[in-house]
Amino acid sequence: KNQVEQSPQSLIILEGKNCTLQCNYTVSPFSNLRWYKQDTGRGPVSLTIMTFSENTKSNGRYTATLDADTKQSSLHITASQLSDSASYICVVGSSGGSYIPTFGRGTSLIVHP
Amino acid sequence: DVKVTQSSRYLVKRTGEKVFLECVQDMDHENMFWYRQDPGLGLRLIYFSYDVKMKEKGDIPEGYSVSREKKERFSLILESASTNQTSMYLCASRPFQEHQPQHFGDGTRLSIL
Repeated sequence: KNQVEQSPQSLIILEGKNCTLQCNYTVSPFSNLRWYKQDTGRGPVSLTIMTFSENTKSNGRYTATLDADTKQSSLHITASQLSDSASYICVVGSSGGSYIPTFGRGTSLIVHP
Repeated sequence: DVKVTQSSRYLVKRTGEKVFLECVQDMDHENMFWYRQDPGLGLRLIYFSYDVKMKEKGDIPEGYSVSREKKERFSLILESASTNQTSMYLCASRPFQEHQPQHFGDGTRLSIL
């Protein structure tokens, strides 16, 4: 069964600090990996996508990495801001003909002033 | 910008009622999805549709049905609401290309009393 595991479950950091969120997956055959940001009371919004051949992708202060061999991804947030407080969800797509991506349970990030 | 609109942000219903949640997208997307989101469990797929009048069960379809009579509209129906269906419900749409991002509505917080 396809699975996506995220760690930590929750994280509290001070404004201006960096942090890294982890995602491990067992999805086969692998197609792509996407990170979503979900603000409180809103729907998730796509931050980055990486395919098998890409090992890093940046979107402003967000940098995602992918190691397809170990089936791991990370999302690094640089110089955190209060607006980064949100849930970050790792989602993995399969190329096996399924329309359905596999969702992780998310990491809840709180940035304190 | 893609817009996915869910008809209600908050809804309170009584046990045993038939409940309709409506979702409309404005980008002519083929695929549409209904998820529920509960603390600690992440997003779980209830149903999805890959075309008009086509539907497939997701991971937790019990107690739910769906309707897609027009391409832009995907309805979720709780046949006889129960308290364990109290949750946040999220609708998403996506073009048929699997690598494209899902676009989410802002959710309906449904309480069953």
